[in-house]
Amino acid sequence: QVQLVESGGGLVKPGGSLRLSCAASGFTFSDYYMSWIRQAPGKGLEWLSYISSDSSTILYTDSVKGRFTVSRDNDRNSLYLQMNSLRAEDTAVYYCARESRDRRTDYWGQGILVTVSS
Amino acid sequence: EIVLTQSPGTLSLSPGERVTLSCRASQSVTNNYLAWHQQRPGHPPRLLIYGASGRATGIPDRFSGSGSGTDFTLTISRLEPEDFAVYFCQQYGSTPRTFGQGTKVEI
Repeated sequence: QVQLVESGGGLVKPGGSLRLSCAASGFTFSDYYMSWIRQAPGKGLEWLSYISSDSSTILYTDSVKGRFTVSRDNDRNSLYLQMNSLRAEDTAVYYCARESRDRRTDYWGQGILVTVSS
Repeated sequence: EIVLTQSPGTLSLSPGERVTLSCRASQSVTNNYLAWHQQRPGHPPRLLIYGASGRATGIPDRFSGSGSGTDFTLTISRLEPEDFAVYFCQQYGSTPRTFGQGTKVEI
C-alpha cells in the first residue's frame, strides 16, 4: 500500500534552516508528481509546492518562494524540502503528498511538526 | 489565485442525519478539478472525492459530491460516528492549489 513517511522536523530558531525528507513506498515513485502541504496549529491547509516526476517542473506558492526548495531522488524514492530563513509563521505540520495522474492529491503522509521559535 | 469559501464553518449534528457541505470558488475551477478531504483529529487528511463527484478508493457510498464551475457540494447521506471530522475542499485545476478553510462536523 502507498506509504509516505516524513522526517527531519523539530525546533529551529527564526532565521534558521531545516531539511525535511519524505520516504515513499508502495508505488512507483518516479511516475508521480509530489507535493508539500502544511497546516499551522489549529488552522487550515496551505499548499506549498509541487515537483514533477522528473524534476523538470517545480512550482511554489508565493509565501515560500525564494526560501524553500523542493527536490527529489527517484533512485532513493525520496522527496525533500529545504527550508531556509525560517519565520515564526512557518510553524506547522508539514505533509508530503502524492499527486495522481489527473493531479489530485490522493495520498498524504502522517505529517511532521516544524516549530520556529527562539 | 482561486479562493475557496466553505460554509457553514461548523455543523452540530447527530449520527444518522444527512449533511450537506458547500464550497464556492471565486472563479471557475478548471475541469471541475475539485476534491474533498476529511481530517479526523490528530490524523492527516484523506481524499474522499475528486473531480467534483468521483469517490476515492475505499470511500463508502454514503459520501457523494456534486457541482460544477464555482459551486460544489459534499453530501453525507447518513452520518456515522467516524464521520465527525473537518472537511476541506481543494481545487487542483490551477496553481497555486488552494484549499477552503474547512467545515467542522461535530456531534
